[in-house]
Amino acid sequence: NAGVTQTPKFRVLKTGQSMTLLCAQDMNHEYMYWYRQDPGMGLRLIHYSVGEGTTAKGEVPDGYNVSRLKKQNFLLGLESAAPSQTSVYFCASSYSLLSSWNTGELFFGEGSRLTVL
Amino acid sequence: AQSVTQPDIHITVSEGASLELRCNYSYGATPYLFWYVQSPGQGLQLLLKYFSGDTLVQGIKGFEAEFKRSQSSFNLRKPSVHWSDAAEYFCAVGEYGNKLVFGAGTILRVKS
Repeated sequence: NAGVTQTPKFRVLKTGQSMTLLCAQDMNHEYMYWYRQDPGMGLRLIHYSVGEGTTAKGEVPDGYNVSRLKKQNFLLGLESAAPSQTSVYFCASSYSLLSSWNTGELFFGEGSRLTVL
Repeated sequence: AQSVTQPDIHITVSEGASLELRCNYSYGATPYLFWYVQSPGQGLQLLLKYFSGDTLVQGIKGFEAEFKRSQSSFNLRKPSVHWSDAAEYFCAVGEYGNKLVFGAGTILRVKS
């Protein structure tokens, strides 16, 4: 019962390098999200997707791009990494947004720790 | 604007003592309310949720939370803390048809 799986779990980059974080979910969820977690700031939404082929900006989208080519996968890309992007990144998925028939519970991956030197 | 405030960044309690973690929110409509827990090196796990009905909700691991509309609060409680409860706790709030907004988190330390 995998749930939400993130790869890689750890990565060190130099400023200006690029990389992609992969999120995979096996729960057939429509909605997927990328958050970053920084001390004292909680979780901030970077981008999200409401279905295959769709993406939307969240609270802190600058410097990141995403793609949702397959329903089960949600990729987060950094084209030119900066030290300010050092963070722990969490992927999450949900069956729906908040509604009267579904509370929109989020299921989280275990996180990917990224350090940009 | 929607906001969630967890006033306490760190809380330390002795094992066996009671616990209350505070959460206040700013929303116009009836909110959907959640508490998540994050153990070290792990993702977030749902503890409990509220979206209608009885304002006192029970969750996993012996936790409960009470929705108080007049105070815009959804505080998390546990009668007797165990060392394994040491973790970071996040309150999250949302509105119908929308996404969740998370608080900054409260780190719980348990003294033996």
